[in-house]
Formats: sequence, C-alpha cells, structure tokens
Amino acid sequence: NAGVTQTPKFQVLKTGQSMTLQCAQDMNHNSMYWYRQDPGMGLRLIYYSASEGTTDKGEVPNGYNVSRLNKREFSLRLESAAPSQTSVYFCASSELFGSSATEAFFGQGTRLTVV
Amino acid sequence: TQLLEQSPQFLSIQEGENLTVYCNSSSVFSSLQWYRQEPGEGPVLLVTVVTGGEVKKLKRLTFQFGDARKDSSLHITAAQPGDTGLYLCAGASGTASKLTFGTGTRLQVTL
Repeated sequence: NAGVTQTPKFQVLKTGQSMTLQCAQDMNHNSMYWYRQDPGMGLRLIYYSASEGTTDKGEVPNGYNVSRLNKREFSLRLESAAPSQTSVYFCASSELFGSSATEAFFGQGTRLTVV
Repeated sequence: TQLLEQSPQFLSIQEGENLTVYCNSSSVFSSLQWYRQEPGEGPVLLVTVVTGGEVKKLKRLTFQFGDARKDSSLHITAAQPGDTGLYLCAGASGTASKLTFGTGTRLQVTL
C-alpha cells in the first residue's frame, strides 16, 4: 500500500538548473497538492489540482510550474532554481466531498538544496 | 489569501502539564483539520472538525472548532514525551479544493 510516492528524496541543484519533482498516488484521489516547508515552519501551498486537467496557484507559486499528467500523477517543475527555493517539498492528495476535505495523505518529502 | 495563524509558535513543557494551541483566521472554513508532523516525515492527520462549535476528543487531546468556523484549538491534557512534534492546523475552503495549512506550533515535552 504505497499511498503517495515522491521522487527524488534528496536533490542538490546549482543556481539556474532545472528539475522536476515527481509525485504519484494510488488512492484514486481527485485533489493533489504541492507544498514547501522551510525549517521550523508550517506548510505553504505552491499549487494544487482539484481534479485531473485542472491546476490552480496557491500562496507561493512564483518560480514553479505544475502538470497534472493524469489522475495519479502531479509533477512540480523548477525552471531556473534559486537559493530561495531551498526547502523540503511535500506532495499530498485528498478527496473532497461537498465542501469538506477528508484526510490529506503526504509523501515522504523531497529535500532540495540550491547552491 | 487565507492565512491561518497558530500560537504559540514554540512550546516547551514538562511531562504531565496541560497545554492549549490556537489556530486563528479571518476567513471562514468549511472544515478544519489538525495534523502532527515528526522530523523527517510528512504530516499525519489527528482529527477533522466540520461543524461550528464542534468538540472532538481523542484520548488526551481535545479539539474545538469555533462557532464562526474561523478558529480552532487543541488542548492536550497531561502531556507526554510522545506528544513532541510539530502541530499543524489546516483549513478547507468551501469554494475550492484548497487545503491551507497554519504556521505551526512546535511542542517539546520533557521528562
């Protein structure tokens, strides 16, 4: 029972490099999310996808792009990495029934360092 | 932008003490959740509250959703070292599938 799988777990990038963080869930959830978490802080929403084929900006979307490839997969791309993007990135999925969210399940996180 | 502010930001207490963590917003949420996160892991759900004024109890943890559905509190009775972690509230909006997290409260319980 994999739940939410993120790859890679660790990554070091040089300023200006690009990379894509991959996320897949096997729970048939409609909603998927990308968050970043800086040391000792809460989670800030980067982008979310309410359903396959739709994506919306969260609180901190600048410098990121996303793709909801299908119902299972939701990727996050950094086109030109900057040191300010050093963070731990979490992917999550949940199912929204009516106006109430059910439990959000999280991946293990990707620890990204930009030098 | 929906902003969920948690207080206190940090809390260090001794085993057996009681504590309360607060989660406040100027926005109304259709539901509110509390998560706990341990180092190196993703957050794990503790409880979901959906009705204004609702109180839920989970062993030594008591959760309350404000009447106006803008705030919530988490009360821990007789804290134990196993309660140590980062506590996060999260609000779901009624118009979109958007789950917004609070700023977090880091709790340390010592012997």
